[in-house]
Amino acid sequence: GDSVTQMEGPVTLSEEAFLTINCTYTATGYPSLFWYVQYPGEGLQLLLKATKADDKGSNKGFEATYRKETTSFHLEKGSVQVSDSAVYFCALSLGGTSYGKLTFGQGTILTVHP
Amino acid sequence: EADIYQTPRYLVIGTGKKITLECSQTMGHDKMYWYQQDPGMELHLIHYSYGVNSTEKGDLSSESTVSRIRTEHFPLTLESARPSHTSQYLCASSEYGYGYTFGSGTRLTVV
Repeated sequence: GDSVTQMEGPVTLSEEAFLTINCTYTATGYPSLFWYVQYPGEGLQLLLKATKADDKGSNKGFEATYRKETTSFHLEKGSVQVSDSAVYFCALSLGGTSYGKLTFGQGTILTVHP
Repeated sequence: EADIYQTPRYLVIGTGKKITLECSQTMGHDKMYWYQQDPGMELHLIHYSYGVNSTEKGDLSSESTVSRIRTEHFPLTLESARPSHTSQYLCASSEYGYGYTFGSGTRLTVV
């Protein structure tokens, strides 16, 4: 079946460090890919998305590129801030813009220290 | 501003009680979902609906049930709560060309 695998966490960084969170997927079709962020005590917020190969999603300094050849969608940020501390989820959905059910990775806890 | 509302935010209840978690959205989305988030953070789809009077079980088996009588309302019910049901429950909706919106969640503790 369809699945998403994220790098094991937690990840702890100093402020202004470079961030990479790896995400790879397995899908029977041609998925759309997403990164969601969850702050303590809250629901999920969409961080960025990409719907086809070589698309780059970006938002708030975060970027991820849809790589079909490596089935990956790694999240990167050049300089993290304390306010980026949260849980990050990679996810996929099939069905294009009809947006069916989401399949999530296991989540990665990011802690950024001053 | 959230366009999808979950109540209550927090609930502590005794074993054996019946509970209903409410989820409502104001966007007119056809598709709605319930995810269970365990203490280890993983999110598992337990129910979904692609329209009124249509409900399906998700990838993770759950003792809960759902109904979809109105487009905007997708409640989840546990007939007899157990400590193993302690978790956070997230409701979401989606629409063609629009994407997904998540509620703030209900954190359920069964004692």
